[in-house]
Amino acid sequence: GEDVEQSLFLSVREGDSSVINCTYTDSSSTYLYWYKQEPGAGLQLLTYIFSNMDMKQDQRLTVLLNKKDKHLSLRIADTQTGDSAIYFCADAFSGNTPLVFGKGTRLSVIA
Amino acid sequence: NAGVMQNPRHLVRRRGQEARLRCSPMKGHSHVYWYRQLPEEGLKFMVYLQKENIIDESGMPKERFSAEFPKEGPSILRIQQVVRGDSAAYFCASSPKGRADYEQYFGPGTRLTVT
Repeated sequence: GEDVEQSLFLSVREGDSSVINCTYTDSSSTYLYWYKQEPGAGLQLLTYIFSNMDMKQDQRLTVLLNKKDKHLSLRIADTQTGDSAIYFCADAFSGNTPLVFGKGTRLSVIA
Repeated sequence: NAGVMQNPRHLVRRRGQEARLRCSPMKGHSHVYWYRQLPEEGLKFMVYLQKENIIDESGMPKERFSAEFPKEGPSILRIQQVVRGDSAAYFCASSPKGRADYEQYFGPGTRLTVT
């Protein structure tokens, strides 16, 4: 079945850039998402990208999509301690369809 | 515009009891999704509903679990005769109908503990 894979842990120093990677298997995915989850909280939609795009920038966040390799990445510039959280990659075939999530990457920011 | 509301935030049930989880979507959203998150895992889709209709329940266990989204009131996820393996965080998400239908916004979750 459909699968989304992420590395489980990432540790960076405050002020550095973080890059979180994700691969997916469903070539028909139309929407790809990044969500942030802080301890004990729900998921916050950070950003998303359509499959006909290869890059999207939103303030400190840059999403890169390599559709050929089915690879998605999230770059956080000038990482802050408040960015420490679990980041989930997800994909969907179309609007109003269920999301398929990776297991999440736990980002730790060292001051 | 209030976000997706879920209650209760924490629920403790003994084995064999029933658990009822409620979700009120964002204003203007007519699509509701339920996901389950087991400890140290990602979220797994359970069921997708519109008002008075179950659209996709392919992720829902066949026994003991049911969901509804009535014409009036919140969506309800009901788990009968809970077992320890049902302990998890249950998240509800909602999305609008129309152009932005790909945006799913999540509630804070209900953390169910079965003792």
